[in-house]
Amino acid sequence: GQQVMQIPQYQHVQEGEDFTTYCNSSTTLSNIQWYKQRPGGHPVFLIQLVKSGEVKKQKRLTFQFGEAKKNSSLHITATQTTDVGTYFCAVGSSSGTYKYIFGTGTRLKVLA
Amino acid sequence: NAGVTQTPKFRVLKTGQSMTLLCAQDMNHEYMYWYRQDPGMGLRLIHYSVGEGTTAKGEVPDGYNVSRLKKQNFLLGLESAAPSQTSVYFCAGGQGSQPQHFGDGTRLSIL
Repeated sequence: GQQVMQIPQYQHVQEGEDFTTYCNSSTTLSNIQWYKQRPGGHPVFLIQLVKSGEVKKQKRLTFQFGEAKKNSSLHITATQTTDVGTYFCAVGSSSGTYKYIFGTGTRLKVLA
Repeated sequence: NAGVTQTPKFRVLKTGQSMTLLCAQDMNHEYMYWYRQDPGMGLRLIHYSVGEGTTAKGEVPDGYNVSRLKKQNFLLGLESAAPSQTSVYFCAGGQGSQPQHFGDGTRLSIL
């Protein structure tokens, strides 16, 4: 079946350091979504990538979709304590229906 | 505008008891989803619905049933609760490939 691997599982950084999480799929993707979940909260949508090689930026966050549309990354420049949380990628199911498979997430801790 | 609302927020059950989790949305979403979230496991899809009157199985459907009699409501039922079903349950609504909007979650413990 379709598999989604997300690495690393955990990341502790000092405030001001950069952070990157990677999402890798076993199959070619039609699109990929990224979500952030604060501790004790619910996932909140960040962005969707659709095109091969696409790069999108939101302030200090940079999202990239691989050329082969099998992987994606989220990079945060100069982390802040407000970036704490778990970041998930979600990929559309290869079955064609609008259901998504979520990665296991990367939990980010930012040390002040 | 409430968005996606889940009730209850917390519940403790004994093994073998039954219960229904309610998800209500006022965003006119065609698609609705039920996920469970366990430590280190991310979000796993239990069941989903592509429209009123339709339901389909996700990754981990065993032990759960769902119904979508009205477009705005999606119910998740546990007929005979088991300790393995202790989890945080999230409901979400969406429109096809558009982003999903999540409820605040239901924390369910089964003793």
